[in-house]
Amino acid sequence: GENVEQHPSTLSVQEGDSAVIKCTYSDSASNYFPWYKQELGKGPQLIIDIRSNVGEKKDQRIAVTLNKTAKHFSLHITETQPEDSAVYFCAEGGGSQGNLIFGKGTKLSVKP
Amino acid sequence: KAGVTQTPRYLIKTRGQQVTLSCSPISGHRSVSWYQQTPGQGLQFLFEYFSETQRNKGNFPGRFSGRQFSNSRSEMNVSTLELGDSALYLCASSFDFVGPKGGELFFGEGSRLTVL
Repeated sequence: GENVEQHPSTLSVQEGDSAVIKCTYSDSASNYFPWYKQELGKGPQLIIDIRSNVGEKKDQRIAVTLNKTAKHFSLHITETQPEDSAVYFCAEGGGSQGNLIFGKGTKLSVKP
Repeated sequence: KAGVTQTPRYLIKTRGQQVTLSCSPISGHRSVSWYQQTPGQGLQFLFEYFSETQRNKGNFPGRFSGRQFSNSRSEMNVSTLELGDSALYLCASSFDFVGPKGGELFFGEGSRLTVL
């Protein structure tokens, strides 16, 4: 079936450094790629998304890039802060599944 | 605007029992999706309901079922509970399809089920 692979599963960075999380997908029909942040004890929350007709999107310290040919997309967080510590999920949508398919998550730890 | 509300937040059951979880979507949202979250497996899609009809279904056994009411509130039921059903069950709502032409998927805080 269709799936999303997400790497790394854990990521530890120093405050102020950049963090990059990568995902690959298999459904060629997918055209929507959101990223969710899940803080401890809470549900996932959308932080940024990208449509397939766009190669890059930026929102302050967060950016997402998409390479449809290679079927991979990445989340970039610059100038990381301790409050960025959370689990991040990538997802794909708009494809044949009709629902969002999520990666297994990346636990990001930002050390002060 | 109230968010997605799930009840109960925590519950403990024993093997063989059944459980019903409830979800109230954001006002105006007609689609409700359910996901199972377990350590190491991420979020796995259970099913989606739209206007009281199951529109999409994941690869879970028939012990997992759901329904949606005319006010868009949704319930999911798990019968004959197994130890492996211990998980965080997340409900999410959206206006309609989630995608490039659709809206965002909003999650509740989840119902944490422990099966002993």
